Amino acid sequence: GAVVSQHPSRVICKSGTSVKIECRSLDFQATTMFWYRQFPKQSLMLMATSNEGSKATYEQGVEKDKFLINHASLTLSTLTVTSAHPEDSSFYICSAARGSSYNEQFFGPGTRLTVL
Amino acid sequence: GQQVMQIPQYQHVQEGEDFTTYCNSSTTLSNIQWYKQRPGGHPVFLIQLVKSGEVKKQKRLTFQFGEAKKNSSLHITATQTTDVGTYFCAGLRTDSWGKLQFGAGTQVVVTP
Repeated sequence: GAVVSQHPSRVICKSGTSVKIECRSLDFQATTMFWYRQFPKQSLMLMATSNEGSKATYEQGVEKDKFLINHASLTLSTLTVTSAHPEDSSFYICSAARGSSYNEQFFGPGTRLTVL
Repeated sequence: GQQVMQIPQYQHVQEGEDFTTYCNSSTTLSNIQWYKQRPGGHPVFLIQLVKSGEVKKQKRLTFQFGEAKKNSSLHITATQTTDVGTYFCAGLRTDSWGKLQFGAGTQVVVTP
């Protein structure tokens, strides 16, 4: 159990377009999901915390108007990169916390975004 | 802000040898978690340490959490080619529930 999926796995888009990435917990409910960004050869940087039924909380330096997060249900969170630019090209990974302790997070397979 | 430092950044190991990767936090952690990311893959949860001074073993992997809950280590004995990947420590922040602060990771390359 505890499987998290992400869709799409890879996306290439033109500069100025918007891209939506979905994160789903397949076999458990996740009140809280987290969105990370990972640049090549670098660590995961937390972007925002997505809470079901409420607004996401963003880490310092992350533009909330550029990275729109919606957590409409207990199994789905979406990240929309608006007006994408080449510098937004990165590996975006979500994780879902199971249960109330948040101690163990299950990561999705990631989405590779390339903005031309 | 809270930072988690991890060393070394790269580790080249001969198959059969041991190695250790270290993690240090600037502040006390609620717990520390370790993840492994294979090339092209996503992080996979390995273990969580919660108690001060805790030591846990998973086959050839030994995880330690320092007495002050600020540092941790992962020691792998008799390295195998399947150990290739990047090992991340991640500290669970005390200020906001669930937020993991990842270390930079140790990229492990195993030479047969």
